[in-house]
Amino acid sequence: AQRVTQPEKLLSVFKGAPVELKCNYSYSGSPELFWYVQYSRQRLQLLLRHISRESIKGFTADLNKGETSFHLKKPFAQEEDSAMYYCALSETSGSRLTFGEGTQLTVNP
Amino acid sequence: DVKVTQSSRYLVKRTGEKVFLECVQDMDHENMFWYRQDPGLGLRLIYFSYDVKMKEKGDIPEGYSVSREKKERFSLILESASTNQTSMYLCASSFLPSEQYFGPGTRLTVT
Repeated sequence: AQRVTQPEKLLSVFKGAPVELKCNYSYSGSPELFWYVQYSRQRLQLLLRHISRESIKGFTADLNKGETSFHLKKPFAQEEDSAMYYCALSETSGSRLTFGEGTQLTVNP
Repeated sequence: DVKVTQSSRYLVKRTGEKVFLECVQDMDHENMFWYRQDPGLGLRLIYFSYDVKMKEKGDIPEGYSVSREKKERFSLILESASTNQTSMYLCASSFLPSEQYFGPGTRLTVT
């Protein structure tokens, strides 16, 4: 069965510092990986997906199949990046998403 | 803009009550999902539906049932609410299962 693990429940950085949110997965097929974000008092929303290989709000994520990881990175964190971040995996058949436990990111001034 | 609405933001129910959580989407999406969100556990899928009157169990369906009589509406039912069902419940809809649009959530407290 597929599984997504986010080893850090809480992550705190200072404004301007680099930030990396870790995501590891286990799945025997070819997965699609995603990052979802929930800002305070807002809905959960899609941040980015690995197949688009785009940068959203300065964030990037690279799928590393050898290490089965999909870490989210940003070179210079901003206070408005403070939020809960969830990594998610979609199976090859694409019927559903499996989410990780989430990482609460706090960017301090 | 995709709009997913949930019938209540906050709900307080007593143990043993039957509870209905309603979700409506306005984008003609085939797929709809119910999750519960708990700190440290992330989002866990309860049930999902890929068509009217169709339903599939997720990872934690015990104690829950669902109903999808119309394409735009997906209801979550707690047949006999228990305190361990106190949680935030999120509904989502999508055209592609991977790009889901979420509702604002219903915080259910069972006393």
